[in-house]
Amino acid sequence: GENVEQHPSTLSVQEGDSAVIKCTYSDSASNYFPWYKQELGKGPQLIIDIRSNVGEKKDQRIAVTLNKTAKHFSLHITETQPEDSAVYFCAASRTGGGNKLTFGTGTQLKVEL
Amino acid sequence: DTAVSQTPKYLVTQMGNDKSIKCEQNLGHDTMYWYKQDSKKFLKIMFSYNNKELIINETVPNRFSPKSPDKAHLNLHINSLELGDSAVYFCASSQDLGRGGTGELFFGEGSRLTVL
Repeated sequence: GENVEQHPSTLSVQEGDSAVIKCTYSDSASNYFPWYKQELGKGPQLIIDIRSNVGEKKDQRIAVTLNKTAKHFSLHITETQPEDSAVYFCAASRTGGGNKLTFGTGTQLKVEL
Repeated sequence: DTAVSQTPKYLVTQMGNDKSIKCEQNLGHDTMYWYKQDSKKFLKIMFSYNNKELIINETVPNRFSPKSPDKAHLNLHINSLELGDSAVYFCASSQDLGRGGTGELFFGEGSRLTVL
């Protein structure tokens, strides 16, 4: 089955700096790579996703890159703000959607003032 | 209006008891899930139902029994609770790409179960 590794487990940045979270996956047939943000006391929420037919996707301060050859993908947050503080999960799936989604182990991001 | 709602939000109980968590989604999605999040924040899928039919059962002990009376509801019943069952349980729903959806998972706010 799919195995998704995520690093780092914790990340502390100063407000305004960039944050990068990296994930690797094992199943070469995986074709869908979403990122979820979980705020304290809430359920995870999709913030951005990428499918295997593109290498990069951007949405305002958030971008995701995918390297299918190396089987890794990354989340980039620029100009971080205190409200970006949360746990971030990467995930991978070979079905193109929510079914059989394997999550990474999560990254606790803390944005300090 | 909450898209995926689950009750109760908190549950504290003794070892050996039986408890249930209920979930409802008003998004019209075909697929619903139960995920378990442990104290280290690991998110692991337990069950998935598509149109009331079980499609994923990830080697969860038989003490856990999901039930989907209709495609908008997915309940989780746990028998003979053990200390290791303490976790946050999340219900989620999605609509697959082939069925007019995006595949995005919509999660409820979680039910924190504490077994004493």
